[in-house]
Amino acid sequence: EAGVAQSPRYKIIEKRQSVAFWCNPISGHATLYWYQQILGQGPKLLIQFQNNGVVDDSQLPKDRFSAERLKGVDSTLKIQPAKLEDSAVYLCASSYTGSSGNTIYFGEGSWLTVV
Amino acid sequence: GESVGLHLPTLSVQEGDNSIINCAYSNSASDYFIWYKQESGKGPQFIIDIRSNMDKRQGQRVTVLLNKTVKHLSLQIAATQPGDSAVYFCAENRNPSWGKLQFGAGTQVVVTP
Repeated sequence: EAGVAQSPRYKIIEKRQSVAFWCNPISGHATLYWYQQILGQGPKLLIQFQNNGVVDDSQLPKDRFSAERLKGVDSTLKIQPAKLEDSAVYLCASSYTGSSGNTIYFGEGSWLTVV
Repeated sequence: GESVGLHLPTLSVQEGDNSIINCAYSNSASDYFIWYKQESGKGPQFIIDIRSNMDKRQGQRVTVLLNKTVKHLSLQIAATQPGDSAVYFCAENRNPSWGKLQFGAGTQVVVTP
C-alpha cells in the first residue's frame, strides 16, 4: 500500500517568510498527525486530527503555525512568519483510527531551513 | 519531569553481533511502547510495539523487552546487518491520549564490518 506522502521534501526560506507543507495520509486512515523533529531530537507532536476535527493542538505555536484538514483526507501545515528556530523536519503521520494500538506510520518528512 | 530517555547516544556494533538498545521511561501511566528506526533523510519506520501487559514480544530478528518494575524498555536486534545502521527511537503513549507519542532523543547504531 502507498505510504504517507509529503511535499515539498525540502524548503529553504528567509525568516519572516511563510511556508506550507502538504500531506496525504495512507488511504483509509482517519487520524492524521503533524510532528516537528529538530535535528538530534525525537519528533514532537504538533497537532492531531481525527477526520477533519482537531483532537490535540496543545503543542502547536498558534501565533505562527496553523494546520487544516478540511475534507478529512489531505492536510496542510503553514508557518507564517517563520523564525530561525522553526528549522526542522516536519513529519506527517497517520493511523487507521485514533485508538490505542493503531500503528502510526510516518512520511519521509519535509525538511525546512530558515535562514 | 516525565520523559523517555536513552542510556547511550551511540552504539557501535560489529556485523553479525547482537545489538541491545536501552530506553528508560518515567511515566508509570504509559501503557504502550513503540520502537522506530530512522535512517538518514527518512521518516521514522515502525519496528515493533509492546503493550504494558506484556514483558516480551518478538518480531523478525527483533525482540522488545519491557520491565515495568524499573521502567525500562530494550530492543534487541539479532545478527546485526549494515542495513540496521540508523537512529533508533523508543516512544511511549499514554492512553487515552493516543497519538501523542513521547519520543526519546534516539540512539545512533553504527554497524561496522
